[in-house]
Amino acid sequence: NAGVTQTPKFRILKIGQSMTLQCAQDMNHNYMYWYRQDPGMGLKLIYYSVGAGITDKGEVPNGYNVSRSTTEDFPLRLELAAPSQTSVYFCASSLVGRGSNQPQHFGDGTRLSIL
Amino acid sequence: GQNIDQPTEMTATEGAIVQINCTYQTSGFNGLFWYQQHAGEAPTFLSYNVLDGLEEKGRFSSFLSRSKGYSYLLLKELQMKDSASYLCAVRDRGANNLFFGTGTRLTVIP
Repeated sequence: NAGVTQTPKFRILKIGQSMTLQCAQDMNHNYMYWYRQDPGMGLKLIYYSVGAGITDKGEVPNGYNVSRSTTEDFPLRLELAAPSQTSVYFCASSLVGRGSNQPQHFGDGTRLSIL
Repeated sequence: GQNIDQPTEMTATEGAIVQINCTYQTSGFNGLFWYQQHAGEAPTFLSYNVLDGLEEKGRFSSFLSRSKGYSYLLLKELQMKDSASYLCAVRDRGANNLFFGTGTRLTVIP
């Protein structure tokens, strides 16, 4: 049981390049999330999904896209990388959702630098 | 909207007790979580409160007062490995989304 797996762990991009951050969970969780964490700041929600085929915007969705074709996978896409997207990205998942005491489980993060 | 406040940094001595406070103002409340995050690592779940009162889990306890918009995390018998950031997160009533504070960086000294 690997939990939440993120790849890659590190990446350097040039301005204007695109890339996909991968996230997979093997806990059969229905909810999945993408956060970014800037130095000295709290986690900010980018996008979330309540199940396969359903996604919605969080606090800071601009410049990102997501898809959820399966329960297990929730990739995050950066289409035109900008320096402001330099951050650590965390994927998380949780079971059930609303009204539940089930916590979110986090992956180890992807450290992304845009130069 | 959501507004969550925590102290930025705290220092405490090994073996002592430390209390990390969190105040929040939210448009809807459906539970409060505490997470621990060591430098360069992922957040890990510590505790959950949805009703007023104290939840105890070994050396860690968490308290909630919904009327005051206030929570604290209490760490007893501090160990060097407790040096980490502690994140307070409030769950919105409308969904399962969490809103995080900026975190409190705790340094435990010998």
